[in-house]
Amino acid sequence: QVQLVESGGGLVKPGGSLRLSCEASGFTFSDYYMTWIRQAPGKGLEWVSYISGSSTTIKYADSVKGRFTISRDNAKNSLSLQIHSLWPEDTAVYYCARDAGYSGYVFDLWGQGTLVTVSS
Amino acid sequence: DIQMTQSPSTLSASVGDRVTVTCRASQSISRWLAWYQQKPGKAPKLLIYEASSLASGVPSRFSGSGSATEFTLTITTLQPDDFATYYCQQYNGYLLTFGGGTKVEIK
Repeated sequence: QVQLVESGGGLVKPGGSLRLSCEASGFTFSDYYMTWIRQAPGKGLEWVSYISGSSTTIKYADSVKGRFTISRDNAKNSLSLQIHSLWPEDTAVYYCARDAGYSGYVFDLWGQGTLVTVSS
Repeated sequence: DIQMTQSPSTLSASVGDRVTVTCRASQSISRWLAWYQQKPGKAPKLLIYEASSLASGVPSRFSGSGSATEFTLTITTLQPDDFATYYCQQYNGYLLTFGGGTKVEIK
């Protein structure tokens, strides 16, 4: 069925690195922009990054620029987020989401999220 | 960056009530605004895009309005399934931002 499944979260020490993955199924993955959005415990949503279907367009929120790298492998229907220099304020549930295909960046399909905890 | 401010942060209501949530942008975003519903422990669900267009499968009791800097989400005849947190999101330009959320709780 149509779904997104994230993985790769866990407990990491400050300054550490982590790679998150999102596996897509049930739709033509390469046709869609994909995004990462995070939510700190008990807090609101924060957009992190998005990538176009062909990987030619990539954008990051200022708060993660230079530390996070988004990528995708259309042959494997997979989206990734490489995170470096993690800090406690990066602790959050990280969601991958699919662009709805309307005229703009809105997201109609979300994964269940993967929790990243940054703590010593 | 465009800042999005939602009000109220919490709203107490009863089943059957009409509920309105407001979202204000720090600068004009035309009609590039979406609304999402999120329940505890779950991913958000898209409700409204382009300020007033209903996403697929969303009940017609949800509606959106507004333009430029002021937007509203209205739920007519609140149902038990509607108790949740609602977020607005602007997508004017390539940097995206969300409002802080409005929790609709049972009165």
